[in-house]
Parts: sequence; structure tokens; C-alpha cells
Amino acid sequence: NAGVTQTPKFQVLKTGQSMTLQCAQDMNHNSMYWYRQDPGMGLRLIYYSASEGTTDKGEVPNGYNVSRLNKREFSLRLESAAPSQTSVYFCASSGGTLGGFYEQYFGPGTRLTVT
Amino acid sequence: SQKIEQNSEALNIQEGKTATLTCNYTNYSPAYLQWYRQDPGRGPVFLLLIRENEKEKRKERLKVTFDTTLKQSLFHITASQPADSATYLCALLNSGYSTLTFGKGTMLLVSP
Repeated sequence: NAGVTQTPKFQVLKTGQSMTLQCAQDMNHNSMYWYRQDPGMGLRLIYYSASEGTTDKGEVPNGYNVSRLNKREFSLRLESAAPSQTSVYFCASSGGTLGGFYEQYFGPGTRLTVT
Repeated sequence: SQKIEQNSEALNIQEGKTATLTCNYTNYSPAYLQWYRQDPGRGPVFLLLIRENEKEKRKERLKVTFDTTLKQSLFHITASQPADSATYLCALLNSGYSTLTFGKGTMLLVSP
């Protein structure tokens, strides 16, 4: 049981490049989330998916797109990376479609640097 | 606007003492509150969840209280150990019940 996995672990991009962060969970959870964590700012929600086939914006969605590929996988895409997107990105999942009622399980994170 | 406040200064305590961390909130009426632990370079790990009708919850050496009148939760670690050193995050349920908002966390340092 791997829990929540994320790839890659580290990535360096040049301004304007694109990339997709991958996330998968094997706990049969309905809800999945993407957060970014910056020093002094805490965890901020980018996008979430309450169930397969639905996605919604969080607090800081600008510059990102997501895809809920199936129940297991939720990807985050940066179409044109900017230095302001340098951050640590965490994927999380939780049971139930009202995911706030349940504990969230986090992946190990992706450290992204945009130069 | 909604706001969650956790002490930004690190809390330094000696091994064996009780650590108490505070989470204050404004303009929220959360039904649930959660606490997480985060070690450097790792994702947060869930510790405890407390509902608004529960005044106190315990798990081993951990205790959480939730005072909806004061708009405050206290997180206690009794008989603290150096291995308890980490950053502790509180998180509140948002209206719509699908998402959480996290506080910025408080770093706890337990010295031998």
C-alpha cells in the first residue's frame, strides 16, 4: 500500500516551459487535492477534485490546470512556468466526496524551481 | 476575511514537559478542526480531528481542545520527546465541506 505517490520529486524549469506533476493514490479515495507550500505562506489549495469527473478551483488556481484522469490519478499542469511558481507542491487525498470531513493523506511533495 | 493564526515563533521546551500549541481563527464557523504534523522535507501527516460538539479529544500523549466560543483550539503533547520536534499545522473545514484551510504552522523544538 503506497498511499499517495508523486512524480517527479525535483524539477527545474526555465521560465515559459511547461510540465505536468503526477499524483496517484491507492486508497480508493474520492477526493484529491493539489497544494503549494511557500515559506511564510503555509499550505495553499490550488485545485481539488471532490470526485472522479469533477474539479474545482482553490485559493490560488491562476497559472495551473488539473485533470482527474480516473479515481486514482490527479495531475497538475503548468502551461507556462513563471518564477512565482517556484514552490513545493503536495498532492493529497481523502475519503468521501465531502473531503473536509476526513483526514487528508499527503504525498512526499515535488520541489519545483523556475529560473 | 477568514483567518487562521498559529504562533509563528518556534516553541522551545525541555524533554518531559508538556507542549501547548495554539490555533486561533476568525470569521469561521468550522464544524471540524484537524491537526497535522510536518517534518522537514516531507508532507503533512494527520494526527487528530475534533468536531465542534467535542470539547476535548485524546490520542496517546496528544490532546486537542476546541472552544468555539473563544474560536480557539489548543494542541497538547504531554511528556514531550525530542522525536516530537516538528511543525504542527491546524486546519479548518471550509463551508461546502469539501476542503480545508491550513494555518501556517508552529515549529516545536524539544531539547533533551
